[in-house]
Amino acid sequence: ETGVTQTPRHLVMGMTNKKSLKCEQHLGHNAMYWYKQSAKKPLELMFVYNFKEQTENNSVPSRFSPECPNSSHLFLHLHTLQPEDSALYLCASSQDLAVGGIYGYTFGSGTRLTVV
Amino acid sequence: DQQVKQNSPSLSVQEGRISILNCDYTNSMFDYFLWYKKYPAEGPTFLISISSIKDKNEDGRFTVFLNKSAKHLSLHIVPSQPGDSAVYFCAPRGSSNTGKLIFGQGTTLQVKP
Repeated sequence: ETGVTQTPRHLVMGMTNKKSLKCEQHLGHNAMYWYKQSAKKPLELMFVYNFKEQTENNSVPSRFSPECPNSSHLFLHLHTLQPEDSALYLCASSQDLAVGGIYGYTFGSGTRLTVV
Repeated sequence: DQQVKQNSPSLSVQEGRISILNCDYTNSMFDYFLWYKKYPAEGPTFLISISSIKDKNEDGRFTVFLNKSAKHLSLHIVPSQPGDSAVYFCAPRGSSNTGKLIFGQGTTLQVKP
């Protein structure tokens, strides 16, 4: 158990579907992140939240919509995705932004998303 | 334009020998450099980091070396163990305010018994 739990582990969705990815941490961390890992590509930062406030949107298309209702939970709402959005989506958390950049984040195991 | 490059996609070493994983970067403003390790079906786990004001940091079997003039860092694992077989990512901190990490493509290490 890594301390960061992501559900579901696997998701197959059609291009017209709406689905949500969930991330939960009980580590008392205040910063949470969404990363995307496509095949043969490095992990790419998507969004950063610090104390529930979004601090970074890395030019992510609007078909990805994050939500952070509290410091323990982070969602990624998906709608009208494309097949090229198929990837591993990783959630992570850190004590705060500065600590995350020095001592690393705690990552979840990820959601493997396939868009058909 | 990739700011972080791990040019060796894979590396194979014998158990007990040294593993050396390399990482090159282009941005001289990076102030911290992190290494992550990832097993299949799991998220990456933090391994070790180094500040840009240092040239070496050691933690048990793991040592990271930083050569700022060459914009190069390396991770040494001595002695290598079969359980070290994983994908290793180099991840400099992009900005001190955002906590943003910029990941390399990763190097798959296989340690043979």
